[in-house]
Amino acid sequence: NAGVTQTPKFRVLKTGQSMTLLCAQDMNHEYMYWYRQDPGMGLRLIHYSVGEGTTAKGEVPDGYNVSRLKKQNFLLGLESAAPSQTSVYFCASERQASNQPQHFGDGTRLSIL
Amino acid sequence: AQSVTQPDIHITVSEGASLELRCNYSYGATPYLFWYVQSPGQGLQLLLKYFSGDTLVQGIKGFEAEFKRSQSSFNLRKPSVHWSDAAEYFCAVGSSNDYKLSFGAGTTVTVRA
Repeated sequence: NAGVTQTPKFRVLKTGQSMTLLCAQDMNHEYMYWYRQDPGMGLRLIHYSVGEGTTAKGEVPDGYNVSRLKKQNFLLGLESAAPSQTSVYFCASERQASNQPQHFGDGTRLSIL
Repeated sequence: AQSVTQPDIHITVSEGASLELRCNYSYGATPYLFWYVQSPGQGLQLLLKYFSGDTLVQGIKGFEAEFKRSQSSFNLRKPSVHWSDAAEYFCAVGSSNDYKLSFGAGTTVTVRA
């Protein structure tokens, strides 16, 4: 019953450091998504993937990279962290159909100093 | 492009009173509509969804929503609010030809005793 698992749950970085956020799903979902959530702005899509080996840009992709080497995992990378990337990051996954709901992880709270 | 507006940033309601959260969407064709709830420190949980058919949709936790095409609205309602309903609520719109969801900025619900 794990669903969507995000690692880590919390992290503090210094400006310029790099890190990778991991999202793992055990539901055999084709689609996976990375969002950031900021106060008063709802969720904004960073990148998404419609299958293993494929990724695409969302609404706010700058400063982030992603990879989907395995179907169950979707990695979000920050190569050089900036204070503007302080946010809560959510991963979601979805079955292969546009009318299916997305299943969300519990989020990663990231602070960039 | 699709978009969602949640006009109310914050609503306070007494326990046992009724609740209505507003959601207006912008989309050229028939939308897929969702309501999610987020408790503090948690990810988003699906309350209900609308794809087609009956415009009154029942969801979990006693919530319902009504799709009104003429008003481009998908308002969420609950007849009697419980203290555990205090959370942030997000409306989202998707489409039949797109993998992506657009989220509203959210409405925070406070329940007073």
